[in-house]
Amino acid sequence: NAGVTQTPKFQVLKTGQSMTLQCAQDMNHEYMSWYRQDPGMGLRLIHYSVGAGITDQGEVPNGYNVSRSTTEDFPLRLLSAAPSQTSVYFCASSYSTKQYFGPGTRLTVT
Amino acid sequence: GESVGLHLPTLSVQEGDNSIINCAYSNSASDYFIWYKQESGKGPQFIIDIRSNMDKRQGQRVTVLLNKTVKHLSLQIAATQPGDSAVYFCAESSRAGSYQLTFGKGTKLSVIP
Repeated sequence: NAGVTQTPKFQVLKTGQSMTLQCAQDMNHEYMSWYRQDPGMGLRLIHYSVGAGITDQGEVPNGYNVSRSTTEDFPLRLLSAAPSQTSVYFCASSYSTKQYFGPGTRLTVT
Repeated sequence: GESVGLHLPTLSVQEGDNSIINCAYSNSASDYFIWYKQESGKGPQFIIDIRSNMDKRQGQRVTVLLNKTVKHLSLQIAATQPGDSAVYFCAESSRAGSYQLTFGKGTKLSVIP
Protein backbone atom coordinates (compact mmCIF):
# COMPACT_ATOMS: atom_id res chain seq x y z
CA ASN A 1 0.00 0.00 0.00
CA ALA A 2 1.19 3.50 -0.83
CA GLY A 3 -0.88 4.92 2.05
CA VAL A 4 -1.75 8.60 1.64
CA THR A 5 -0.13 10.37 -1.28
CA GLN A 6 -0.11 14.08 -2.04
CA THR A 7 0.91 16.06 -5.10
CA PRO A 8 2.64 18.34 -5.70
CA LYS A 9 5.29 18.42 -2.95
CA PHE A 10 6.03 22.09 -3.57
CA GLN A 11 4.12 24.87 -5.32
CA VAL A 12 4.54 28.60 -5.78
CA LEU A 13 1.52 30.66 -6.81
CA LYS A 14 0.91 34.30 -7.49
CA THR A 15 -1.89 36.08 -5.66
CA GLY A 16 -5.19 35.43 -7.40
CA GLN A 17 -4.16 32.20 -9.10
CA SER A 18 -6.11 29.02 -8.51
CA MET A 19 -4.88 25.48 -8.11
CA THR A 20 -5.82 22.04 -6.83
CA LEU A 21 -3.86 20.05 -4.28
CA GLN A 22 -4.28 16.35 -4.88
CA CYS A 23 -4.72 13.69 -2.20
CA ALA A 24 -5.27 9.98 -2.68
CA GLN A 25 -5.36 6.97 -0.37
CA ASP A 26 -5.42 3.26 -1.13
CA MET A 27 -6.54 1.99 2.28
CA ASN A 28 -10.29 2.20 1.55
CA HIS A 29 -10.75 4.68 4.38
CA GLU A 30 -14.08 6.46 4.54
CA TYR A 31 -12.82 9.51 6.40
CA MET A 32 -10.45 12.01 4.78
CA SER A 33 -9.43 15.48 5.84
CA TRP A 34 -7.25 18.45 4.98
CA TYR A 35 -5.14 20.40 7.47
CA ARG A 36 -2.86 23.35 7.20
CA GLN A 37 0.22 23.79 9.36
CA ASP A 38 1.75 27.18 9.99
CA PRO A 39 5.08 27.87 11.78
CA GLY A 40 4.85 27.36 15.53
CA MET A 41 1.30 26.10 15.31
CA GLY A 42 -0.41 22.79 15.34
CA LEU A 43 -2.50 21.47 12.49
CA ARG A 44 -5.79 23.20 11.79
CA LEU A 45 -8.64 21.42 10.07
CA ILE A 46 -9.78 22.96 6.77
CA HIS A 47 -12.36 20.50 5.40
CA TYR A 48 -13.23 16.88 5.94
CA SER A 49 -15.29 14.12 4.40
CA VAL A 50 -16.92 11.09 6.03
CA GLY A 51 -17.48 9.33 2.73
CA ALA A 52 -17.90 9.76 -1.01
CA GLY A 53 -20.30 12.58 -1.78
CA ILE A 54 -20.15 14.04 1.74
CA THR A 55 -17.98 16.98 2.78
CA ASP A 56 -18.05 19.47 5.63
CA GLN A 57 -16.17 22.49 6.90
CA GLY A 58 -13.51 22.42 9.55
CA GLU A 59 -12.00 25.20 11.59
CA VAL A 60 -10.52 27.29 8.74
CA PRO A 61 -12.51 26.62 5.52
CA ASN A 62 -12.55 30.09 3.95
CA GLY A 63 -10.82 30.27 0.57
CA TYR A 64 -10.86 26.50 0.03
CA ASN A 65 -13.22 24.08 -1.68
CA VAL A 66 -13.31 20.30 -1.60
CA SER A 67 -15.19 17.49 -3.30
CA ARG A 68 -15.29 13.74 -2.76
CA SER A 69 -16.45 11.90 -5.84
CA THR A 70 -14.62 8.67 -4.96
CA THR A 71 -13.46 6.98 -1.76
CA GLU A 72 -9.85 7.26 -2.87
CA ASP A 73 -9.51 10.94 -3.80
CA PHE A 74 -10.07 14.17 -1.88
CA PRO A 75 -8.73 17.22 -3.77
CA LEU A 76 -8.42 20.64 -2.15
CA ARG A 77 -9.02 23.67 -4.37
CA LEU A 78 -7.74 27.16 -3.79
CA LEU A 79 -10.05 29.44 -5.74
CA SER A 80 -8.03 32.67 -5.61
CA ALA A 81 -4.77 32.26 -3.75
CA ALA A 82 -3.80 34.80 -1.11
CA PRO A 83 -0.48 35.24 0.77
CA SER A 84 -2.29 34.18 3.95
CA GLN A 85 -2.65 30.73 2.40
CA THR A 86 1.11 30.22 2.40
CA SER A 87 1.43 27.08 4.50
CA VAL A 88 2.12 23.37 4.51
CA TYR A 89 -0.95 21.34 3.70
CA PHE A 90 -1.52 17.82 4.95
CA CYS A 91 -4.11 15.34 3.87
CA ALA A 92 -5.14 12.51 6.20
CA SER A 93 -7.37 9.47 6.04
CA SER A 94 -8.73 7.11 8.65
CA TYR A 95 -11.22 4.35 9.44
CA SER A 96 -11.32 5.42 13.08
CA THR A 97 -9.93 8.27 15.14
CA LYS A 98 -6.39 7.13 14.23
CA GLN A 99 -5.51 9.26 11.21
CA TYR A 100 -2.80 8.54 8.66
CA PHE A 101 -1.12 11.58 7.16
CA GLY A 102 0.39 12.22 3.76
CA PRO A 103 3.83 13.80 3.27
CA GLY A 104 2.44 17.31 2.75
CA THR A 105 2.44 20.04 0.10
CA ARG A 106 4.43 23.19 0.78
CA LEU A 107 2.61 26.12 -0.81
CA THR A 108 3.95 29.64 -1.16
CA VAL A 109 1.74 32.46 -2.41
CA THR A 110 3.55 35.61 -3.50
CA GLY B 1 -12.68 28.61 23.10
CA GLU B 2 -11.46 25.16 24.05
CA SER B 3 -7.86 24.42 23.18
CA VAL B 4 -5.13 21.86 23.47
CA GLY B 5 -1.74 23.26 24.46
CA LEU B 6 1.71 22.26 25.55
CA HIS B 7 3.73 23.34 28.59
CA LEU B 8 7.13 23.51 26.85
CA PRO B 9 7.89 24.36 23.26
CA THR B 10 11.37 22.73 23.29
CA LEU B 11 12.99 19.88 25.16
CA SER B 12 16.61 18.71 25.00
CA VAL B 13 17.60 15.35 26.46
CA GLN B 14 20.73 13.25 26.53
CA GLU B 15 20.70 10.07 24.50
CA GLY B 16 19.68 7.17 26.70
CA ASP B 17 17.73 9.32 29.15
CA ASN B 18 13.96 9.25 29.45
CA SER B 19 11.91 12.07 27.90
CA ILE B 20 8.64 13.46 29.18
CA ILE B 21 6.51 15.67 26.96
CA ASN B 22 3.51 17.33 28.54
CA CYS B 23 0.20 18.51 27.19
CA ALA B 24 -2.66 20.38 28.87
CA TYR B 25 -6.18 20.38 27.55
CA SER B 26 -9.11 22.51 28.58
CA ASN B 27 -12.11 20.69 27.10
CA SER B 28 -13.61 18.59 29.87
CA ALA B 29 -15.61 16.70 27.24
CA SER B 30 -12.44 15.38 25.56
CA ASP B 31 -12.84 11.66 25.15
CA TYR B 32 -9.87 10.53 23.12
CA PHE B 33 -6.25 11.62 23.01
CA ILE B 34 -3.50 10.85 20.56
CA TRP B 35 0.20 11.60 20.22
CA TYR B 36 1.86 12.21 16.87
CA LYS B 37 5.52 12.51 15.94
CA GLN B 38 6.53 14.76 13.07
CA GLU B 39 10.01 14.60 11.63
CA SER B 40 11.33 17.49 9.59
CA GLY B 41 9.72 17.65 6.15
CA LYS B 42 7.30 14.79 6.83
CA GLY B 43 3.71 14.32 7.83
CA PRO B 44 2.70 13.44 11.40
CA GLN B 45 3.06 9.79 12.40
CA PHE B 46 0.84 8.09 14.95
CA ILE B 47 2.63 7.10 18.16
CA ILE B 48 0.05 6.09 20.73
CA ASP B 49 -3.50 6.89 21.78
CA ILE B 50 -5.60 6.68 24.93
CA ARG B 51 -9.27 6.94 25.76
CA SER B 52 -10.64 8.89 28.67
CA ASN B 53 -11.64 5.71 30.54
CA MET B 54 -7.95 4.85 30.95
CA ASP B 55 -5.17 6.62 32.82
CA LYS B 56 -2.17 4.83 31.34
CA ARG B 57 -1.26 3.04 28.15
CA GLN B 58 2.05 1.58 27.11
CA GLY B 59 3.59 0.96 23.74
CA GLN B 60 7.06 0.13 22.58
CA ARG B 61 9.34 2.49 24.57
CA VAL B 62 6.45 4.95 24.95
CA THR B 63 3.88 5.46 27.69
CA VAL B 64 0.98 7.88 27.72
CA LEU B 65 -0.44 9.05 31.04
CA LEU B 66 -3.78 10.79 31.36
CA ASN B 67 -4.83 12.78 34.42
CA LYS B 68 -8.40 13.85 33.89
CA THR B 69 -8.58 15.65 37.23
CA VAL B 70 -6.10 18.29 36.11
CA LYS B 71 -6.69 17.81 32.38
CA HIS B 72 -3.13 16.79 31.70
CA LEU B 73 -1.59 14.35 29.27
CA SER B 74 2.03 13.25 29.03
CA LEU B 75 4.14 11.18 26.68
CA GLN B 76 7.09 9.34 28.16
CA ILE B 77 9.82 8.01 25.89
CA ALA B 78 12.20 5.53 27.47
CA ALA B 79 15.89 5.40 26.56
CA THR B 80 15.61 8.29 24.11
CA GLN B 81 17.47 7.78 20.84
CA PRO B 82 18.66 10.26 18.19
CA GLY B 83 15.87 9.00 15.94
CA ASP B 84 13.37 10.31 18.46
CA SER B 85 14.32 13.89 17.59
CA ALA B 86 11.17 15.44 16.16
CA VAL B 87 8.20 17.63 17.00
CA TYR B 88 5.57 15.89 19.09
CA PHE B 89 1.91 16.87 18.97
CA CYS B 90 -0.92 15.91 21.23
CA ALA B 91 -4.43 15.97 19.82
CA GLU B 92 -7.85 15.41 21.28
CA SER B 93 -11.31 14.48 20.15
CA SER B 94 -14.23 15.72 22.14
CA ARG B 95 -16.82 13.25 20.93
CA ALA B 96 -16.64 9.50 21.06
CA GLY B 97 -16.29 8.11 17.55
CA SER B 98 -15.64 11.55 16.08
CA TYR B 99 -12.91 11.78 13.49
CA GLN B 100 -12.24 15.43 14.18
CA LEU B 101 -9.06 16.12 16.08
CA THR B 102 -7.87 19.34 17.69
CA PHE B 103 -4.08 19.60 17.76
CA GLY B 104 -1.75 21.31 20.19
CA LYS B 105 1.09 23.50 18.98
CA GLY B 106 3.83 20.90 19.42
CA THR B 107 7.01 20.32 21.42
CA LYS B 108 10.36 19.99 19.69
CA LEU B 109 12.45 17.19 21.16
CA SER B 110 16.20 17.33 20.53
CA VAL B 111 18.33 14.35 21.52
CA ILE B 112 21.94 15.10 22.39
CA PRO B 113 24.27 12.25 21.36
